[in-house]
Amino acid sequence: DSGVTQTPKHLITATGQRVTLRCSPRSGDLSVYWYQQSLDQGLQFLIQYYNGEERAKGNILERFSAQQFPDLHSELNLSSLELGDSALYFCASSVEGHTEAFFGQGTRLTVV
Amino acid sequence: AQSVTQLGSHVSVSEGALVLLRCNYSSSVPPYLFWYVQYPNQGLQLLLKYTTGATLVKGINGFEAEFKKSETSFHLTKPSAHMSDAAEYFCAVSDQANNNDMRFGAGTRLTVKP
Repeated sequence: DSGVTQTPKHLITATGQRVTLRCSPRSGDLSVYWYQQSLDQGLQFLIQYYNGEERAKGNILERFSAQQFPDLHSELNLSSLELGDSALYFCASSVEGHTEAFFGQGTRLTVV
Repeated sequence: AQSVTQLGSHVSVSEGALVLLRCNYSSSVPPYLFWYVQYPNQGLQLLLKYTTGATLVKGINGFEAEFKKSETSFHLTKPSAHMSDAAEYFCAVSDQANNNDMRFGAGTRLTVKP
């Protein structure tokens, strides 16, 4: 158990809908990362938050947004969903960016 | 920005054979380097990391990696493959010049044949 909790584990939704994925980092970790993993694009960095503020942006679509709350949990919002958004979404956390990141088990999103 | 290239998206070895997974990095400052493993339907788990000091790093499950600055490489090896090593392996890099943000390679899927 990495200490990073992601909910829900599985999500099935229709095209055009909006979903929210939740991540609780390890106790004491200030950095939260979001990644998308799909068969055709591999592991893609989406966005990083550090202590409530956005620190870095990767290949995140405009339809996607994220935030980190004062209690350090984070949410990834995906809207106007398309079939191609079906993927595993991982959250990871770390104390400081250069130490190892600890990954959650992921949320498997299926868009039908 | 820092980046990682993993050579070979698929590697197949026989049980008992040497495992060699290749990783080359790009970083403008001394990097921190990591190898992660992902078993089916699971998250990524840290195998080993290099930050400073000894360039040969030992990790879990008998894996090790050597940081070679002159070759900008951090290849992962294991002397004798086991069936349970079948998984996807990711190399990652971070550095202070880029807010210590971690970036991953595309991954290498290791298959172990009996």
